[in-house]
Amino acid sequence: AAGVIQSPRHLIKEKRETATLKCYPIPRHDTVYWYQQGPGQDPQFLISFYEKMQSDKGSIPDRFSAQQFSDYHSELNMSSLELGDSALYFCASSLGHSSLAQPQHFGDGTRLSIL
Amino acid sequence: AQSVAQPEDQVNVAEGNPLTVKCTYSVSGNPYLFWYVQYPNRGLQFLLKYITGDNLVKGSYGFEAEFNKSQTSFHLKKPSALVSDSALYFCAVRATNQAGTALIFGKGTTLSVSS
Repeated sequence: AAGVIQSPRHLIKEKRETATLKCYPIPRHDTVYWYQQGPGQDPQFLISFYEKMQSDKGSIPDRFSAQQFSDYHSELNMSSLELGDSALYFCASSLGHSSLAQPQHFGDGTRLSIL
Repeated sequence: AQSVAQPEDQVNVAEGNPLTVKCTYSVSGNPYLFWYVQYPNRGLQFLLKYITGDNLVKGSYGFEAEFNKSQTSFHLKKPSALVSDSALYFCAVRATNQAGTALIFGKGTTLSVSS
């Protein structure tokens, strides 16, 4: 079965640079979520989108922005990168319109390293 | 505020023995509870969920979990552990059924199954 696709898998940047992470949800999934997982940490929610509108917002820094496009893929844009932004960034997708809480299905993540 | 606690950083069991990974939650209203497993450098894989109904939930790979409302717990169990079950396990809760609602994760429990 098709899964959530994230690109790139690995990304190396320097401080103050910008980065764009991409997420392609499972076909027919209309909801995407972004999470950040630091080394040895649990995933922390950043932001989510349902039907191309922002749905929920977590601990996303003002330096970051995201959007969901008409084909439901999503991009996380990160500017003025800091050393502390080094982490694994996960995208997850789900069916948002179901009457029951649908599980979020995760991609394998983008490992961002800031030098 | 909603939260999840996994009181054990690590659980060690011998192959063939039963395993339990503990999780307690705090949320106002009805909880939507999930278990995920994470292998090194991979995304989180959905194991099972509790939404409503039978307190014993069966999931993937022979795992099950027992919802206990009075103890606000949702422990993950498996009757007979396999070495391949060794991984990082996360319990998660979401407070609502609305599309885009974030998952709140526990800190994770590392399961080590010895042969």
